[in-house]
Amino acid sequence: EVQLVESGGGLVQPGGSLRLSCAASGFTFSSYWMNWVRQAPGKGLEWVASIKQDASDKYYVDSVKGRFTISRDNAKNSLYLQMNSLRAEDTAVYYCARDPLSGGRRNYFDFWGQGTLVTVSS
Amino acid sequence: EIVLTQSPATLSLSPGERATLSCGASQSVSSSYLAWYQQKPGLAPRLLIYDASNRATGIPDRFSGSGSGTDFTLTISRLEPEDFAVYYCQQYGNSPWTFGQGTKVEIK
Repeated sequence: EVQLVESGGGLVQPGGSLRLSCAASGFTFSSYWMNWVRQAPGKGLEWVASIKQDASDKYYVDSVKGRFTISRDNAKNSLYLQMNSLRAEDTAVYYCARDPLSGGRRNYFDFWGQGTLVTVSS
Repeated sequence: EIVLTQSPATLSLSPGERATLSCGASQSVSSSYLAWYQQKPGLAPRLLIYDASNRATGIPDRFSGSGSGTDFTLTISRLEPEDFAVYYCQQYGNSPWTFGQGTKVEIK
């Protein structure tokens, strides 16, 4: 059974940093593109970042470029999101989500974690 | 960036009725790379449809998707109690991948 479990969310002041983690199990983690998608309270979904199987390619939505860094550790079956210079508008539930294609890339999301809440406030 | 507009914002229907949800794109979605997700309160989204019309694994056949270009539709043939939720479309033909703002299907 595919499982994605996020952790690391919490309350942080504007300008602060936070590192999110996603622990994957039930599939060959190293064979899949992985993603972060966020949802502001009461709002819709926003794709944030994607990382290739071997971490050689990474993509970001414009609003987080230069502030967020996606990474992965295939030996630990883990995905990460380092978030720096946080702003109030980054407040959201952050979901880890898997691309459906083993060895390739489709850019939609077939399995999602339960999410972790990040609140940016003074 | 492709903007997706979903309509209506809220759909009030009774169990057993047919639901028709629309997703319009600001420009053509290449290769019909459009997905639909269902989200219930406090839970993660669930993939329903990909490539505009293909049901994801385990999705009941009362869910169907159609459309191409700039106009896409999700149809739920007969609403079951567990289908009352928010539905999002997502395009993945052009980066950045974008979502619609959602349609809430509520019990009338």
